Amino acid sequence: GQQVMQIPQYQHVQEGEDFTTYCNSSTTLSNIQWYKQRPGGHPVFLIQLVKSGEVKKQKRLTFQFGEAKKNSSLHITATQTTDVGTYFCAASGGYQKVTFGTGTKLQVIP
Amino acid sequence: NAGVMQNPRHLVRRRGQEARLRCSPMKGHSHVYWYRQLPEEGLKFMVYLQKENIIDESGMPKERFSAEFPKEGPSILRIQQVVRGDSAAYFCASSPPLAGADYNEQFFGPGTRLTVL
Repeated sequence: GQQVMQIPQYQHVQEGEDFTTYCNSSTTLSNIQWYKQRPGGHPVFLIQLVKSGEVKKQKRLTFQFGEAKKNSSLHITATQTTDVGTYFCAASGGYQKVTFGTGTKLQVIP
Repeated sequence: NAGVMQNPRHLVRRRGQEARLRCSPMKGHSHVYWYRQLPEEGLKFMVYLQKENIIDESGMPKERFSAEFPKEGPSILRIQQVVRGDSAAYFCASSPPLAGADYNEQFFGPGTRLTVL
């Protein structure tokens, strides 16, 4: 079955520093989604990337889909304490079921 | 426009009892997914259903677990004869019918935290 790996598993950053999480798949993906889960909360959809090499921005967040559509990254510029949570990528091979990555837990130190 | 609803939010069961978890998808959504999440871990896919049909149950344990999504009413995840290892957060998500090139954002409910004593 499809496997999606995320690194790092944990990341502690000082407030104001940048943060990046990477998502890698063993197979070519139809699309990739990113979700954020706050501590004690539920996953919330952030964005979906579909095209090879696609880059999308949401304020301080930059999402990228690799040229080969096998990897993706989420970069946060100048982290804030509100960015705390676990970030999951979720990959689709072409039908509605998605496979979630292992997640990267971000801790921001004020 | 209500989001995905799950109940109960917290459920405590003793070993051997049954747990029933309910999920009402967003209005207009015909696809429902169930996930299990252990503390400090990721989301593990369990089952994907459409109205009255199980599409993919590859993540569901073969025994004690079942899921349904009837024509009327919420989707139900049922765990029979619960064991301590079933303690986890169970999330339901829904998505609308596929429209165009596979845009399949999932909307998650608040989850049911199951504790087995």
